Amino acid sequence: GENVEQHPSTLSVQEGDSAVIKCTYSDSASNYFPWYKQELGKGPQLIIDIRSNVGEKKDQRIAVTLNKTAKHFSLHITETQPEDSAVYFCAAPNQAGTALIFGKGTTLSVSS
Amino acid sequence: EADIYQTPRYLVIGTGKKITLECSQTMGHDKMYWYQQDPGMELHLIHYSYGVNSTEKGDLSSESTVSRIRTEHFPLTLESARPSHTSQYLCASGTGGLYEQYFGPGTRLTVT
Repeated sequence: GENVEQHPSTLSVQEGDSAVIKCTYSDSASNYFPWYKQELGKGPQLIIDIRSNVGEKKDQRIAVTLNKTAKHFSLHITETQPEDSAVYFCAAPNQAGTALIFGKGTTLSVSS
Repeated sequence: EADIYQTPRYLVIGTGKKITLECSQTMGHDKMYWYQQDPGMELHLIHYSYGVNSTEKGDLSSESTVSRIRTEHFPLTLESARPSHTSQYLCASGTGGLYEQYFGPGTRLTVT
């Protein structure tokens, strides 16, 4: 069946360190992998996405890597700052291509 | 980036009441979605629409109903609210075929 597994569920880092969140998906036909950041009391915000025709995409301090063979993709945040503290969700299309399936989320805490 | 609005932001209501959660977007997106989310937890798709007069149920069974009479408007209705409906409801919209979804701020519903 369709499934998106996200790890870890919580992650605590010191300011300036790097953070990595990993997701695995089950549908080999999936071709779009977004990452969302959700701050307390707000809706999720799309921060970066990657399509299956590329292996890596970078936007300033955040990057996403995709390994289609292993069916996993990861979010990398470098030089973390306290304002990076939030819940991060990965997602992938469902098999029918009608909607996104979300991971269970990772609570990132960056302490100064 | 989409401009997407949800009202009310917070609602406390008694059991048995009928409620409508409003969602509007100004970007002309064809696709709109409703998700249910417990605080900090994963998002569950409850309804989606691909355009005017098109509505489908999502992966999570819900007693709510939706309508899509205008492109920009996608209200969600609960005919008889129950305490089990207490949750956060997130509306999203996106362009056709690309999977990007842009979320509103959410409505936090509490049924007493």
